[in-house]
Amino acid sequence: RKEVEQDPGPFNVPEGATVAFNCTYSNSASQSFFWYRQDCRKEPKLLMSVYSSGNEDGRFTAQLNRASQYISLLIRDSKLSDSATYLCVVNAPDKLIFGTGTRLQVFP
Amino acid sequence: GAVVSQHPSRVICKSGTSVKIECRSLDFQATTMFWYRQFPKQSLMLMATSNEGSKATYEQGVEKDKFLINHASLTLSTLTVTSAHPEDSSFYICSGVTGPITDTQYFGPGTRLTVL
Repeated sequence: RKEVEQDPGPFNVPEGATVAFNCTYSNSASQSFFWYRQDCRKEPKLLMSVYSSGNEDGRFTAQLNRASQYISLLIRDSKLSDSATYLCVVNAPDKLIFGTGTRLQVFP
Repeated sequence: GAVVSQHPSRVICKSGTSVKIECRSLDFQATTMFWYRQFPKQSLMLMATSNEGSKATYEQGVEKDKFLINHASLTLSTLTVTSAHPEDSSFYICSGVTGPITDTQYFGPGTRLTVL
């Protein structure tokens, strides 16, 4: 089983749509969780950290379910500029483990 | 946010040559730097963790004699790919942290290596 698993997609959605990505992780000792965004041929950029209580940043909402070892990212009112690959990242515990990413394509 | 640069951004070399990649933290002191590799359509894979002034810690399966890492100062780490082969062609990305290893990592823009 992979340490961090994501559906690779792609998710093709129209502008304005709401889209959700899921991620599962295998190491129950993991303490920190993140969503990164990676554009084609670029470095990953931190989108948001994920907290146990769930957190929101504008159109983005992240949730963590420790019991199920499951992380989610919800994007509301999708924009064309949201098109990218979204990486689920887990700190386990002294290094970051990256998922393979979920590709999102927003079309007009 | 903190800025990390990498040089070169792209390099093409012949098989058997060595290539050095520099990673610099421009506006912070990176106590720890990480080197990652990403093959097409795959996730970033940690290659090694380096701390300033000490030997790097390599991940399982990464040859330390092939991927030489030097972290000579708090703002510079280098990765040298020795005797490069076509299978070493990849996207190499570094990152740095300002404090404990669990802090937010700031990524460089990456170096695309193509070995002919």
